[in-house]
Amino acid sequence: GAGVSQSPSNKVTEKGKDVELRCDPISGHTALYWYRQSLGQGLEFLIYFQGNSAPDKSGLPSDRFSAERTGGSVSTLTIQRTQQEDSAVYLCASSLGLNQETQYFGPGTRLLVL
Amino acid sequence: QQQVKQSPQSLIVQKGGISIINCAYENTAFDYFPWYQQFPGKGPALLIAIRPDVSEKKEGRFTISFNKSAKQFSLHIMDSQPGDSATYFCAANREYGNKLVFGAGTILRVKS
Repeated sequence: GAGVSQSPSNKVTEKGKDVELRCDPISGHTALYWYRQSLGQGLEFLIYFQGNSAPDKSGLPSDRFSAERTGGSVSTLTIQRTQQEDSAVYLCASSLGLNQETQYFGPGTRLLVL
Repeated sequence: QQQVKQSPQSLIVQKGGISIINCAYENTAFDYFPWYQQFPGKGPALLIAIRPDVSEKKEGRFTISFNKSAKQFSLHIMDSQPGDSATYFCAANREYGNKLVFGAGTILRVKS
């Protein structure tokens, strides 16, 4: 069966540009999560969705970051006016439901802001 | 604030040896402790997980030891193999919580 997929796999952009990162969760998974992995760092929680709602956005670093989920499936993470410190691997995960269900991760999008 | 501290940052083990990675947490509300394995260019994958009602969990060559009073848990990889070379992350979350709090990761290299 298909796992979590993310696109693009790599993105190079110029400082100040907007970028959109896409996540396709495992079919039937109601919960979806975004994490950020900076070089040499652990994974940092950004936001999670239950269905199309985002009960916890506490990890979004600034108002330049936003995310949405439509149809209880695909999610898009948008970074506006990118900065060099936004360079990282953005990982998406999904789980069947909430409450400590196993989270299955995608391969990530490697973002480089020049 | 780093809620889960992981050590060492990197580890080199001979083939057949035991790899040990340690984590300590601060939030006593945490009650689920997974370990993830990540290969280069891939997303993390769940390796093994434990809840605080047991002190040890073993799956094949992988064992989690848990010390609730010390707020520490560790991953032991027995008979380490070159194919185990990867980055390992400990994590934690609380009951009815959803976001995993990760340690900084340990880069394991198993020499053949």
